[in-house]
Amino acid sequence: AQKVTQAQTEISVVEKEDVTLDCVYETRDTTYYLFWYKQPPSGELVFLIRRNSFDEQNEISGRYSWNFQKSTSSFNFTITASQVVDSAVYFCALSGQAGTALIFGKGTTLSVSS
Amino acid sequence: NAGVMQNPRHLVRRRGQEARLRCSPMKGHSHVYWYRQLPEEGLKFMVYLQKENIIDESGMPKERFSAEFPKEGPSILRIQQVVRGDSAAYFCASSRISGTSGIYNEQFFGPGTRLTVL
Repeated sequence: AQKVTQAQTEISVVEKEDVTLDCVYETRDTTYYLFWYKQPPSGELVFLIRRNSFDEQNEISGRYSWNFQKSTSSFNFTITASQVVDSAVYFCALSGQAGTALIFGKGTTLSVSS
Repeated sequence: NAGVMQNPRHLVRRRGQEARLRCSPMKGHSHVYWYRQLPEEGLKFMVYLQKENIIDESGMPKERFSAEFPKEGPSILRIQQVVRGDSAAYFCASSRISGTSGIYNEQFFGPGTRLTVL
């Protein structure tokens, strides 16, 4: 069975702090895809990144970076120099073969105060 | 290119009424997924449809819930005889053809419909 665990329910930081959101997944598929989504207070889902199981290169996009490690089945997300606008619920998700449903973690609520 | 559209954005129903949620996929997309987000929980898959076909309904509650995606028009998620426990945000996502070629086709999410059952 596939499963995504986000052990951190809530995280609170002060602006400019770095913060890492953890994501651990379980799957028996050899080909799979990992995702991060952001859900701001307005409620929509904002796609952040997709990673293929055969590409373990870390990725950096501005203040965001992702660390994918197959050996520990983890796909962690780091926000550098956090800002108040980063306050949101962040979801990690897993998908098997293309065309299948996304399996979401329960999300981590990030609160960034000024 | 317009994104995935869902309407209504907010829906209030009394217990026992029917709720109809609509999802218009992105242009060129023929696959639709419905997800439900209960309060304080992540999103859970409900059903996956192609035009006129249900591909996977493993996440649908066995009773009162149904979904369709007709040849013409939006996909509809129907909840009959709603109960308070149905109060949630319902998200629709669409994608292009399935990835049988090995190419992953992104799921694009709509803004969601927030259902409140009084």
